[in-house]
Amino acid sequence: GAGVSQSPRYKVAKRGQDVALRCDPISGHVSLFWYQQALGQGPEFLTYFQNEAQLDKSGLPSDRFFAERPEGSVSTLKIQRTQQEDSAVYLCASTVDRGLYEQYFGPGTRLTVT
Amino acid sequence: TQLLEQSPQFLSIQEGENLTVYCNSSSVFSSLQWYRQEPGEGPVLLVTVVTGGEVKKLKRLTFQFGDARKDSSLHITAAQPGDTGLYLCAGVGNNYGQNFVFGPGTRLSVLP
Repeated sequence: GAGVSQSPRYKVAKRGQDVALRCDPISGHVSLFWYQQALGQGPEFLTYFQNEAQLDKSGLPSDRFFAERPEGSVSTLKIQRTQQEDSAVYLCASTVDRGLYEQYFGPGTRLTVT
Repeated sequence: TQLLEQSPQFLSIQEGENLTVYCNSSSVFSSLQWYRQEPGEGPVLLVTVVTGGEVKKLKRLTFQFGDARKDSSLHITAAQPGDTGLYLCAGVGNNYGQNFVFGPGTRLSVLP
């Protein structure tokens, strides 16, 4: 079936604007992860969902970041009052089950805050 | 906090050469994964190593997990231009959420 998809692929926001990034995981995948990848760096964990439950949000850098997965499938990462330091690629990954660790990544959303 | 270091940070070699990249940590991981990421795409899993001392081979790629499960290496034989990309190691811990800790990556360029 289809892989993990993310939209938009590119987003330019003026500082102070709110943005919403969408992730469509592989159908039936239980676990969903969000990562932030700065230029030239590896992905950094933001938050984790198991079905609709957000089990860990310890990686969210500030209270301006909010993620949800209300029906246990599609997830949205929202960033309020964007700052220049929020510029990065935001990656979403899903895994088939909580006990299995093969993550399937989407292509990411490149956010540029001007 | 579990941290992973990777070396070298950048590597440029000619087609046909061999290379090894390293992933090191002061922390113990239950398993370790290697991913390859190409520009504009998400990382793609290459291998997962679980047992200390384990060696896995994937065609021209050989992965090794250290005996103490704190480090790993990736060896590529006879590199090809198609091997070009960012190689990331990710340590898998024991707690959900912080399960996956990524290193900063080794950017490999194989010149024809």
